[in-house]
Amino acid sequence: GAVVSQHPSRVICKSGTSVKIECRSLDFQATTMFWYRQFPKQSLMLMATSNEGSKATYEQGVEKDKFLINHASLTLSTLTVTSAHPEDSSFYICSAFSTWSSYNEQFFGPGTRLTVL
Amino acid sequence: DAKTTQPPSMDCAEGRAANLPCNHSTISGNEYVYWYRQIHSQGPQYIIHGLKNNETNEMASLIITEDRKSSTLILPHATLRDTAVYYCIGVRNNNDMRFGAGTRLTVKP
Repeated sequence: GAVVSQHPSRVICKSGTSVKIECRSLDFQATTMFWYRQFPKQSLMLMATSNEGSKATYEQGVEKDKFLINHASLTLSTLTVTSAHPEDSSFYICSAFSTWSSYNEQFFGPGTRLTVL
Repeated sequence: DAKTTQPPSMDCAEGRAANLPCNHSTISGNEYVYWYRQIHSQGPQYIIHGLKNNETNEMASLIITEDRKSSTLILPHATLRDTAVYYCIGVRNNNDMRFGAGTRLTVKP
């Protein structure tokens, strides 16, 4: 299967700072990338869907001005958590999908654990 | 996308088959059934998917009932490394995947 990476794998930041998380599809061109958030002992919650070159579509309840998503190329999407607060501490996971590939599944990154102090 | 219902937890003995059920009674005709699993603190891993027919790959088998209202994921010879949360998801197209609570499978020695 295809490989999706995330960077960093773990980040600790102070309250009020911004954090950028990168999601890369390493061996295929992702037409669509997804961002999920997962709190401890809970399931993954879809935050937003981004298509290359267009604005992200956010799920209800997700603040687009707080979680900035950029999908500037077919291999890279970034999620920036602006003015992070302790309640934003979570496990952030991206996934990538290509309508052009023979694969019919989303490929997930390993996740980024964000801790806001 | 169809709402799916899975038991919250299951145990399985190592080396035995693990049969994980999923109900998706509201699934529509063009929705696929996807299975993913998530090992602690990792991203989800694709297992298998199907529409109507039973499917098998190197990881598992997927049995879908004729009315498509339920399915069963079968891990033929469970190992300790198969301990994970297993998610059954109804997906109309791969642009929208909503995870439910899943089943926490514990494989015991």
